[in-house]
Amino acid sequence: DAGVTQSPTHLIKTRGQHVTLRCSPISGHKSVSWYQQVLGQGPQFIFQYYEKEERGRGNFPDRFSARQFPNYSSELNVNALLLGDSALYLCASSTLSRSGYNYEQYFGPGTRLTVT
Amino acid sequence: AQKVTQAQTEISVVEKEDVTLDCVYETRDTTYYLFWYKQPPSGELVFLIRRNSFDEQNEISGRYSWNFQKSTSSFNFTITASQVVDSAVYFCALSEGGTGANSKLTFGKGITLSVRP
Repeated sequence: DAGVTQSPTHLIKTRGQHVTLRCSPISGHKSVSWYQQVLGQGPQFIFQYYEKEERGRGNFPDRFSARQFPNYSSELNVNALLLGDSALYLCASSTLSRSGYNYEQYFGPGTRLTVT
Repeated sequence: AQKVTQAQTEISVVEKEDVTLDCVYETRDTTYYLFWYKQPPSGELVFLIRRNSFDEQNEISGRYSWNFQKSTSSFNFTITASQVVDSAVYFCALSEGGTGANSKLTFGKGITLSVRP
């Protein structure tokens, strides 16, 4: 079975530009989460989506937005890029238990974004 | 607010040694979940283990074992007979509650494990 896929793998952008990152979850998973991992740090939570609705948002500026599509894939958009946005962006998918608990999240390989 | 502390930053061992990775967490929830993830040089986070707050039974899975103690808010992870392929960054993570499809992970800063042949 295919795991979580992300595209592109690497991206170089200039300050002020906009970027769109894409994620396809594991088949059957309806929840997608996005994380930002700066070099040398643990991942930081950005968004979680379930059934196309935003279910959680981390402490990130409004320049960051996301959405989930009917096929459960997701996009992360970042506007007005800053040098500090350079990071590995990780997407994770998960499924729900009958009681509503979100099981362990499975991560994709990430998109390495460099802002110059 | 939830917090995960991994006080160790780098550990270096010789192959076949046992190694324990420490994790201390903070949370106000009575129901929470703890995880260990591994991040090899390729960058992809690999899920290793999950533990529920209401089950303190410690287990062994192959060369991996973990020690969960609510009294000290610790969730330590041990690799027995380490191998070179175990070299990676290991993250401890916490998820509070988790029902209702809202269960963000809070990660520690990670521990870099180097296993020398």
